[in-house]
Amino acid sequence: GAVVSQHPSRVICKSGTSVKIECRSLDFQATTMFWYRQFPKQSLMLMATSNEGSKATYEQGVEKDKFLINHASLTLSTLTVTSAHPEDSSFYICSARGASTGELFFGEGSRLTVL
Amino acid sequence: QKEVEQNSGPLSVPEGAIASLNCTYSDRGSQSFFWYRQYSGKSPELIMFIYSNGDKEDGRFTAQLNKASQYVSLLIRDSQPSDSATYLCAVTGAGSYQLTFGKGTKLSVIP
Repeated sequence: GAVVSQHPSRVICKSGTSVKIECRSLDFQATTMFWYRQFPKQSLMLMATSNEGSKATYEQGVEKDKFLINHASLTLSTLTVTSAHPEDSSFYICSARGASTGELFFGEGSRLTVL
Repeated sequence: QKEVEQNSGPLSVPEGAIASLNCTYSDRGSQSFFWYRQYSGKSPELIMFIYSNGDKEDGRFTAQLNKASQYVSLLIRDSQPSDSATYLCAVTGAGSYQLTFGKGTKLSVIP
């Protein structure tokens, strides 16, 4: 089946630094990928929709200058958390839609801890 | 504002019993309905999806959809301790692949 790979799975960084998370669709092309954030005991909240070759669409309340999304190819989308702060510590999950079935496949998630 | 509501639980059932998980949604135009299982610290994994009213069975899992009442449920037969996880209900709107998630129901299967 379709697989979405996310890297890194865990990252710890200092406040003020930037962190990049990669999301790859391994055996299918994904023109659209989605980035979610999940705080402890909360549901997944959609941050943005990443579109290959065009600008990402951000959800209300998500700062596009802070969460930079690049979808340069049909198999790779990246999320860069710029000038990270402790409140950005969360579980970030990407997903991509399978072309044949339309179902959403999730990456393994990336746990970010900002000290 | 589209909303998906789930009882947060925890729902505790003995091993071998039927676990019943429920979800209601506010957008009457919703068209696709998904159940995901999420183990602690892990990413969600798809269990089932359903588009039409009625029941859909897959192994020990049965999804039930009632669009008139705007609810979708997931039944897990012969519950196993390995089924212990948080179950997320997710819904897409008309013409959209964007998922709206509920907060999830934590299921605990007691051996």
